[in-house]
Amino acid sequence: DIQMTQSPSSLSGSVGDRVTITCRASQTVSTFLNWYQQKPGKAPKLLIYGASRLQSGVPSRFSGSGSGTDFTLTINSLQPEDIATYYCQQSYTTPRLSFGGGTKVEI
Amino acid sequence: QEQLVESGGGVVQPGRSLRLSCRASGFTFSYYAIYWVRQAPGKGLEWVAVISADGSRTHYADSAKGRFTISRDNSMDTLYLEMRSLGHDDTAIYYCARDNGAPDPAFDSWGQGTLVTVSS
Repeated sequence: DIQMTQSPSSLSGSVGDRVTITCRASQTVSTFLNWYQQKPGKAPKLLIYGASRLQSGVPSRFSGSGSGTDFTLTINSLQPEDIATYYCQQSYTTPRLSFGGGTKVEI
Repeated sequence: QEQLVESGGGVVQPGRSLRLSCRASGFTFSYYAIYWVRQAPGKGLEWVAVISADGSRTHYADSAKGRFTISRDNSMDTLYLEMRSLGHDDTAIYYCARDNGAPDPAFDSWGQGTLVTVSS
């Protein structure tokens, strides 16, 4: 199974900061990499799919990049409503996919 | 509006069984593969099982294999998860999630989750 490792596990930023979260796969997943946002007490929400494609309705301050084994999620201009835990997910081995351990973003 | 609504969670004793349901609305349920994903308290996300759009193919995570059975009734727009021999490690919020069916697979719609607590 492909292991997904996120870093950092948590971070704290200020409103307006640029925030970057990293996700590394134990083997190549090409661009089959998705990012989800989970707010406290809520279900996850798809932000980015295919490593860099913004899901409909997601603010443009969110962006994703990378291919192979190394990926990043960037939040340009952090907002209070971005307080959440972010998860990466590889879908290269669909249907047997896997998630990263999560990155908690605080302000 | 596309919606998935889970039900059936609750407190169950170790070794007992429980069946979860996920009712879909606002989209053509029979077009999509659907997953069960769980989240233990304070932990990350773990996929549990998936069923193809027509119900002919299923796959299970190692943690669920042999104990859980995923099924669907497309005439009722409903997904099920039959869980047997439950243990404390199965305590989690269980979500159903829709596979977008795109060349870049992702879960584009999630239910609100149903909490399963395994406790004596």
